[in-house]
Amino acid sequence: DIQMTQSPSSLSASVGDRVTISCRASQGISNYLAWYQQKPGKVPKVLIYGASTLQSGVPSRFSGSGSGTDFTLTISSLQSEDVATYYCQKYNSGPFTFGGGTKVQIK
Amino acid sequence: QLQLHESGPGLVKPSETLSLTCTVSSGSITTSYYWGWIRQPPGKGLEWIGSIYYSGSTYYNASLKSRVTLSVDTSNNQFSLKLNSVTAADTAVYYCARHGIPGTTFGCFDPWGQGTLVTVSS
Repeated sequence: DIQMTQSPSSLSASVGDRVTISCRASQGISNYLAWYQQKPGKVPKVLIYGASTLQSGVPSRFSGSGSGTDFTLTISSLQSEDVATYYCQKYNSGPFTFGGGTKVQIK
Repeated sequence: QLQLHESGPGLVKPSETLSLTCTVSSGSITTSYYWGWIRQPPGKGLEWIGSIYYSGSTYYNASLKSRVTLSVDTSNNQFSLKLNSVTAADTAVYYCARHGIPGTTFGCFDPWGQGTLVTVSS
């Protein structure tokens, strides 16, 4: 099975900073990758699908890129409301594996 | 707007079977989507359990497949999860979610139910 590896597992940044989260697939998955945001105590919600398509209603400071095995989620200017854990997930075929998550905190 | 809602016992004894149902409202379960289950142990990450299509076609997480049964009830717009021989390691928040056909652009999981905590304890 394809493994999904996220890095870093956690990060701390200041408001206004540019934040980058990496997700690597152990084999190519084309662009069938989604990013989810889970705020503390809340349900995960999809931010980006198709590796780079922003879900409706998601702020434009979020962006995704990549294809094949290497993917990136970028927050262009970190806001306090972005404190959350972010997960990538493959959906090219089963199993629909999630990455281990990246916890984003404010410095 | 499509909504999903999980229901079932919040406490299950070790070695018994965990049973949860997800009710789909404001939309039909007999559409071109899969219906999935995901769990999250306290303080840990997300683990996909399995997914089912209304026709009965399924995908399973290989690590759980021997203990998992998925089913769909189109007449009641519901789908269900059974996980047998549970242990404390199965304690988690269990979510249901809709997702598109694998290998298509909209294959991601959206929307999700609010989740239900299931504790395995005697």
